[in-house]
Amino acid sequence: NAGVTQTPKFRVLKTGQSMTLLCAQDMNHEYMYWYRQDPGMGLRLIHYSVGEGTTAKGEVPDGYNVSRLKKQNFLLGLESAAPSQTSVYFCASREQGASLGGQYFGAGTRLSVL
Amino acid sequence: DQQVKQNSPSLSVQEGRISILNCDYTNSMFDYFLWYKKYPAEGPTFLISISSIKDKNEDGRFTVFLNKSAKHLSLHIVPSQPGDSAVYFCAASGFRQFYFGTGTSLTVIP
Repeated sequence: NAGVTQTPKFRVLKTGQSMTLLCAQDMNHEYMYWYRQDPGMGLRLIHYSVGEGTTAKGEVPDGYNVSRLKKQNFLLGLESAAPSQTSVYFCASREQGASLGGQYFGAGTRLSVL
Repeated sequence: DQQVKQNSPSLSVQEGRISILNCDYTNSMFDYFLWYKKYPAEGPTFLISISSIKDKNEDGRFTVFLNKSAKHLSLHIVPSQPGDSAVYFCAASGFRQFYFGTGTSLTVIP
């Protein structure tokens, strides 16, 4: 029972490089989210998706793109990485209409941009 | 501007005593409020939630209280156990999005 799986777990990039973070969930959830966590800032929403083929911006979307081509996968892309994108990234999912049940989170991806 | 705030970065409590974690919010349109627990190198895990139409929800040792007039919620853990030592985040839900506080690190001393 995997739940929410994020790959990779760690990554170091140079400024200007691109990469894609993958989130996969096996719970058939409609909603998926990407957050970043920075010291003293809590978790901030980057983008989210309410279903396959749909995406929407969150609080801090600049510099990121996302795609939800399959229901179980939510990809977060950095086209040209900047040091300000050094952070821990969390993916989460939840059932539609199940706000009180909370979200299920992956273990995180630690990204450093040099 | 942060819509959900946790003003205490850390809290230490003796085992067996009550832990009280606090959270304030600014947006009166939030529908639900949640608490998550996070261990190092892991993602947050859902703990307990409360709808904006309630003022209390209890689940075992955990109780969440909501004071809408003060825009304040709190999490009570009784009795506190060493395994409760973790970072606790409060979150508020509004139109499909969730807004998180900065977290409170709880240490339960055996």
